[in-house]
Amino acid sequence: AQKVTQAQTEISVVEKEDVTLDCVYETRDTTYYLFWYKQPPSGELVFLIRRNSFDEQNEISGRYSWNFQKSTSSFNFTITASQVVDSAVYFCALSPFLTGTASKLTFGTGTRLQVTL
Amino acid sequence: EAGVTQFPSHSVIEKGQTVTLRCDPISGHDNLYWYRRVMGKEIKFLLHFVKESKQDESGMPNNRFLAERTGGTYSTLKVQPAELEDSGVYFCASSHPGLIYEQYFGPGTRLTVT
Repeated sequence: AQKVTQAQTEISVVEKEDVTLDCVYETRDTTYYLFWYKQPPSGELVFLIRRNSFDEQNEISGRYSWNFQKSTSSFNFTITASQVVDSAVYFCALSPFLTGTASKLTFGTGTRLQVTL
Repeated sequence: EAGVTQFPSHSVIEKGQTVTLRCDPISGHDNLYWYRRVMGKEIKFLLHFVKESKQDESGMPNNRFLAERTGGTYSTLKVQPAELEDSGVYFCASSHPGLIYEQYFGPGTRLTVT
């Protein structure tokens, strides 16, 4: 069975602070994908990143960065110099890697990030 | 390009009534998924279509839920009869056959059963 844990229910920061959202996962699959999605107030889930289990390189995209550590089964997400527009619920998710076949996502419970001025 | 759309955005019904949710995936996306988020909990998978065929329906909670995707385009999810515990946000997602691991989500339908 797969499981994703986002222990932080809600985080509140002041604009320009850095913030890290934690994600810990459990899976018996040897290959899998990890994802982060953002849910702004409008409600839709916005895809942010997909990471293969066999690629442990960290990734940076503008103010966003992701730290994947297979040894600790973690896939943490850092926002540098946070902005009010970053306020949203962020979901971490996991899916098995099945060649040529799409598969369901297993989500965490989400972390609500509130960025204030 | 239009994103995944869902209708209605909100639905309030009484216990025992029937509700049908609709999802229009992104054009060309063969894979279509339904998920549900009950208040404060994780988003849970319900089922997965590839074109008009059900690939995986392991997440469907019980036989009060019926999903269809006739013609491999839009999909409907019917709840009949609705129970209080069916309340939540129902999300639809789709993915392109060439990028099957990237699921694009719609805004969800908030269902309230009273």
